[in-house]
Amino acid sequence: ILNVEQSPQSLHVQEGDSTNFTCSFPSSNFYALHWYRWETAKSPEALFVMTLNGDEKKKGRISATLNTKEGYSYLYIKGSQPEDSATYLCASLPPGAGSYQLTFGKGTKLSVIP
Amino acid sequence: DTGVSQNPRHKITKRGQNVTFRCDPISEHNRLYWYRQTLGQGPEFLTYFQNEAQLEKSRLLSDRFSAERPKGSFSTLEIQRTEQGDSAMYLCASSFPKTGTGGVQETQYFGPGTRLLVL
Repeated sequence: ILNVEQSPQSLHVQEGDSTNFTCSFPSSNFYALHWYRWETAKSPEALFVMTLNGDEKKKGRISATLNTKEGYSYLYIKGSQPEDSATYLCASLPPGAGSYQLTFGKGTKLSVIP
Repeated sequence: DTGVSQNPRHKITKRGQNVTFRCDPISEHNRLYWYRQTLGQGPEFLTYFQNEAQLEKSRLLSDRFSAERPKGSFSTLEIQRTEQGDSAMYLCASSFPKTGTGGVQETQYFGPGTRLLVL
């Protein structure tokens, strides 16, 4: 995998359902993984920065896991609420001293139906 | 801390005109980034400043694009002789070095973006 890929591209879930989506990144060219939530007309909101294989982070009902050996991260949302509707972006930071350019996936657009 | 601000939020211009966008980072953040998002794509890196020094530039940043960060505070991104392909959302982000991590765990805080439409 040369680029950061996210799946699915979009999904619709009912309020109260739990959901998850995937971010795949180059495992051979990895330094850190960032997750963002971007609501329409707002600024992308930072959720997590993950660096260690097996790492798991949690923020309220949202959690994320990281597998650097196989090059993927999962984002989980427990008990989805309408306010969770947003585009979720992941971005990989490659190794390289002084390099801070994030490579983003295209995002997963989540719609939570009340 | 009022977050990263960008102005204007929307800009419509005619092909061939010059446009300039401004980004005000979170105060005391010494790193500032510009990204561009076109329709259906994720944000793409354009350039990065540490204080007033421009340290990285993407090959996406053609000669028509110039970015500055005088005095290491706000930044401007200018596009000369705009083309229809320049239509995009231009995002600015800032960060502050996280001690001991070599920058790996720095969070980049984004502004709301400037949406440019070139007619």
